Amino acid sequence: DAKTTQPTSMDCAEGRAANLPCNHSTISGNEYVYWYRQIHSQGPQYIIHGLKNNETNEMASLIITEDRKSSTLILPHATLRDTAVYYCIVRGIPQAAGNKLTFGGGTRVLVKP
Amino acid sequence: EAQVTQNPRYLITVTGKKLTVTCSQNMNHEYMSWYRQDPGLGLRQIYYSMNVEVTDKGDVPEGYKVSRKEKRNFPLILESPSPNQTSLYFCASSSLTKTYEQYFGPGTRLTVT
Repeated sequence: DAKTTQPTSMDCAEGRAANLPCNHSTISGNEYVYWYRQIHSQGPQYIIHGLKNNETNEMASLIITEDRKSSTLILPHATLRDTAVYYCIVRGIPQAAGNKLTFGGGTRVLVKP
Repeated sequence: EAQVTQNPRYLITVTGKKLTVTCSQNMNHEYMSWYRQDPGLGLRQIYYSMNVEVTDKGDVPEGYKVSRKEKRNFPLILESPSPNQTSLYFCASSSLTKTYEQYFGPGTRLTVT
């Protein structure tokens, strides 16, 4: 699985968009970009994933650069409940090892009133 | 409501006293996993199961046992707990057709003295 690099922390104002960057310069052609988040000591939560096209769901948008070496998770209107650690993960077909997830350091996002 | 439940949520025990942490999911998922999360070490997979009666070791299986007799349940057994098994434990599940989305339980905080 490709290595990812994320900023350690960032602050965001409530109601504003939060843009979380992730670098994955060694990503290979069959690897997807996944985002999960973990609110303090709770179970991680899936947010979104993508291969090369931009993706949007009810929680967030995922923008992947054309060369796929980086991506940005966008929380369109951050709320206090979005305060969490956000993990960017790059991996290929997950059937091996029981769909194992491996989290790096993540970005600690603090949404402020 | 789709969910993964774990019990107990908190447990303090003594070295050597056998314990079981239960995990149950109501989504008919094939995959189930156990992870432990420790500060600075991230999420590490202990065991996983790809279906009933099929289990396999993850990255840190020493000191743990699992079983998968029913599709919905995946208990984690510590036959002789030791202090180095003090950790936050998560159970997770996902389907074969939507492997990108893992559902995590709320976590079990275990302290072994």
